Amino acid sequence: GENVEQHPSTLSVQEGDSAVIKCTYSDSASNYFPWYKQELGKRPQLIIDIRSNVGEKKDQRIAVTLNKTAKHFSLHITETQPEDSAVYFCAADTGTASKLTFGTGTRLQVTL
Amino acid sequence: GAVVSQHPSRVICKSGTSVKIECRSLDFQATTMFWYRQFPKKSLMLMATSNEGSKATYEQGVEKDKFLINHASLTLSTLTVTSAHPEDSSFYICSAHRQGSNQPQHFGDGTRLSIL
Repeated sequence: GENVEQHPSTLSVQEGDSAVIKCTYSDSASNYFPWYKQELGKRPQLIIDIRSNVGEKKDQRIAVTLNKTAKHFSLHITETQPEDSAVYFCAADTGTASKLTFGTGTRLQVTL
Repeated sequence: GAVVSQHPSRVICKSGTSVKIECRSLDFQATTMFWYRQFPKKSLMLMATSNEGSKATYEQGVEKDKFLINHASLTLSTLTVTSAHPEDSSFYICSAHRQGSNQPQHFGDGTRLSIL
């Protein structure tokens, strides 16, 4: 089955700096890669996603890049703000029954 | 966006009790619902995939007799934790998806289950 690895597990940046979180996946059939933000005790919230026919996608301060050959994808957050502090999860989906495999999560702390 | 309602949000009960958690898609027909379990500071682990009108597909290591899943309609799936014990304490989250749509999974708010 699919295996998704995520790094780093924790990340601390100063407000205004950029944050980058990286994930790798094992199943070359995976074709959908969402990123979720989860605050303590809350539901995961989809913040951005990318499909395998696209190499990069951007939404304001958030961008995701995908390298299908290397089987890795990354989340980039620019001009970080304290409210960006949360746990971020990447995920991969082969498209079969839309079954998501999640990464291990990255705890992002944005300090003032 | 799509709304998925999960109830209850918090349950505290004695060991041996069976607990039912409901997951409802409020504004779309969910052909598939997923049930996840999340331990503190850990990732979401898929427990089972539930398709409307058929038996759930359980992930390896998940006891189907322990975690009963019913998906009787396109808007409701239930997870029953039978004879719960302290090790079943966890955060359970459902998500709903319409097969064939280009929409992502929509998550419920989760249920924090504490077994004393």
